[in-house]
Amino acid sequence: EAGVAQSPRYKIIEKRQSVAFWCNPISGHATLYWYQQILGQGPKLLIQFQNNGVVDDSQLPKDRFSAERLKGVDSTLKIQPAKLEDSAVYLCASSLQGANYGYTFGSGTRLTVV
Amino acid sequence: GQQLNQSPQSMFIQEGEDVSMNCTSSSIFNTWLWYKQEPGEGPVLLIALYKAGELTSNGRLTAQFGITRKDSFLNISASIPSDVGIYFCAGRQNSGGSNYKLTFGKGTLLTVNP
Repeated sequence: EAGVAQSPRYKIIEKRQSVAFWCNPISGHATLYWYQQILGQGPKLLIQFQNNGVVDDSQLPKDRFSAERLKGVDSTLKIQPAKLEDSAVYLCASSLQGANYGYTFGSGTRLTVV
Repeated sequence: GQQLNQSPQSMFIQEGEDVSMNCTSSSIFNTWLWYKQEPGEGPVLLIALYKAGELTSNGRLTAQFGITRKDSFLNISASIPSDVGIYFCAGRQNSGGSNYKLTFGKGTLLTVNP
């Protein structure tokens, strides 16, 4: 079974620039998550999709972050404009539908804002 | 928001020693999960616990879901060098509907000296 694919692996941008991350979940996984992991911290949920609908985006800074999951498969997360404090690893995860399933995480995109 | 207090923050042990780490919360969780993260990778699920009091093993790993549903521990027996990594606890509250959000602890960094 192929895992969760993310790209790019690394990105360095200047503050106020924009950036986009892409995620392809495991085939058949209805639920997709974007997490932000700041160095030395555990992952923090930004947004959860169920198919192509948003279930929870309460911790997404909506003034600069946006995400979409067209057709209920791939997803993109965008930051515009980026701030220094957005430097982090952005992890995508997917799971089967239902509360009794653990997630499978991708390898993440490491973003550095300078 | 909810917080998970994970301890210890870091451990430095000799190969062959046993390791214990735990996670506590002021909130009740219905699911506890333990993940391991290695450098440059996303977290990988080790053990999932679904019932209060449940004790589950996965090879040399054993985890328990606290009876109060506010804590969990993970034990690693006879550690080996490849156990090195950051171990995260995560809890889910099953708040209803399709929200499967996980709250993560800050992690325990484990170093094993050969």
